[in-house]
Amino acid sequence: ETGVTQSPTHLIKTRGQQVTLRCSSQSGHNTVSWYQQALGQGPQFIFQYYREEENGRGNFPPRFSGLQFPNYSSELNVNALELDDSALYLCASSSGGSGYGYTFGSGTRLTVV
Amino acid sequence: SQQGEEDPQALSIQEGENATMNCSYKTSINNLQWYRQNSGRGLVHLILIRSNEREKHSGRLRVTLDTSKKSSSLLITASRAADTASYFCATDMNSGYSTLTFGKGTMLLVSP
Repeated sequence: ETGVTQSPTHLIKTRGQQVTLRCSSQSGHNTVSWYQQALGQGPQFIFQYYREEENGRGNFPPRFSGLQFPNYSSELNVNALELDDSALYLCASSSGGSGYGYTFGSGTRLTVV
Repeated sequence: SQQGEEDPQALSIQEGENATMNCSYKTSINNLQWYRQNSGRGLVHLILIRSNEREKHSGRLRVTLDTSKKSSSLLITASRAADTASYFCATDMNSGYSTLTFGKGTMLLVSP
């Protein structure tokens, strides 16, 4: 059983650029969620995908978008990067429904300069 | 927005001592989960307690849930240096789909 894999592990981008982060779900998990974790804070929910459809979104602007593929892997895209987007981005997969724990990846550390 | 708030923000103990962390939340929940994070990397799921449960054990971990007070506690018994990490509570609210809302975490330091 594989865990959740995220790539890249670290990334430095310039303000105004666009970035794509990738996530491979744990085998058997059909739900993927993305979280943003600023330094010293808890993770904040960005959005969730279930069977390739977005089925929930947190308080993030439209320049944060995502995709889920038929193999349940996922991408997080951020356009027009701002300095405040610097954070650890975490992907989590689950088998869906309430009552199950999430499996998190190790995260992508994004720095916007 | 943060749903849960952990207390204390930081905790420093010696190996062998017990560590207790508390979490308070604001709205009704389906379940509450505790996660651990080492050095700002990925979170590891520790334990899940459902809203109709009051106490749950897993190895050296004991979690309690009081829905009337909207609070939970995580007890780690016989702490080890390897338990040094940040601990987060996360609530899964009754919002139509399952997602987690995290607190700011408790940073635990266990000294040898």
